[in-house]
Amino acid sequence: DGGITQSPKYLFRKEGQNVTLSCEQNLNHDAMYWYRQDPGQGLRLIYYSQIVNDFQKGDIAEGYSVSREKKESFPLTVTSAQKNPTAFYLCASSPGGLGTGELFFGEGSRLTVL
Amino acid sequence: KNEVEQSPQNLTAQEGEFITINCSYSVGISALHWLQQHPGGGIVSLFMLSSGKKKHGRLIATINIQEKHSSLHITASHPRDSAVYICAVRDSGGGADGLTFGKGTHLIIQP
Repeated sequence: DGGITQSPKYLFRKEGQNVTLSCEQNLNHDAMYWYRQDPGQGLRLIYYSQIVNDFQKGDIAEGYSVSREKKESFPLTVTSAQKNPTAFYLCASSPGGLGTGELFFGEGSRLTVL
Repeated sequence: KNEVEQSPQNLTAQEGEFITINCSYSVGISALHWLQQHPGGGIVSLFMLSSGKKKHGRLIATINIQEKHSSLHITASHPRDSAVYICAVRDSGGGADGLTFGKGTHLIIQP
């Protein structure tokens, strides 16, 4: 079945460590997104990418980095520069261009900093 | 940037009841999404609409562009409908993903 796979589902990190969250899709979608969800808040956009080897900062990109070397993959690295990384992270894709079309989400990754 | 307000924030109802969740926004949009977030965290897209009404099974979504308001209705509610329902709007001006998300409505359907 087509879909978006995120891993790991749960991740614990010590302060000062970088961690990478995986996002893979087999929907052949061009646009991919990373969102952060905190309790009591709406989803916020971290990074987005419309095509391979191109990505743009979203509203809260500081302390995060991404790559888009393959159409299917859009990993997110949470760096030690991110001051408050404990959150739920969601990867999404859409079949149309940026800002168009239905959104497809993964199951999410919950990061906890110890 | 658009401001999206959902109401109610929390809703507990009995199985079989008719459920209405509301979403209001402040600036003209090109599309509105209704999303369902499972207790485990994954999100499923329920509807994307820009005018009128859409129906899928027991779910109905309506939008009034003039009033900047949308509603999600669930008929014959069931405990499996328990989830967080999220409204998201896409600004007419576009840009980036153009989306502003509401904080969600936490729905619990009791047997």
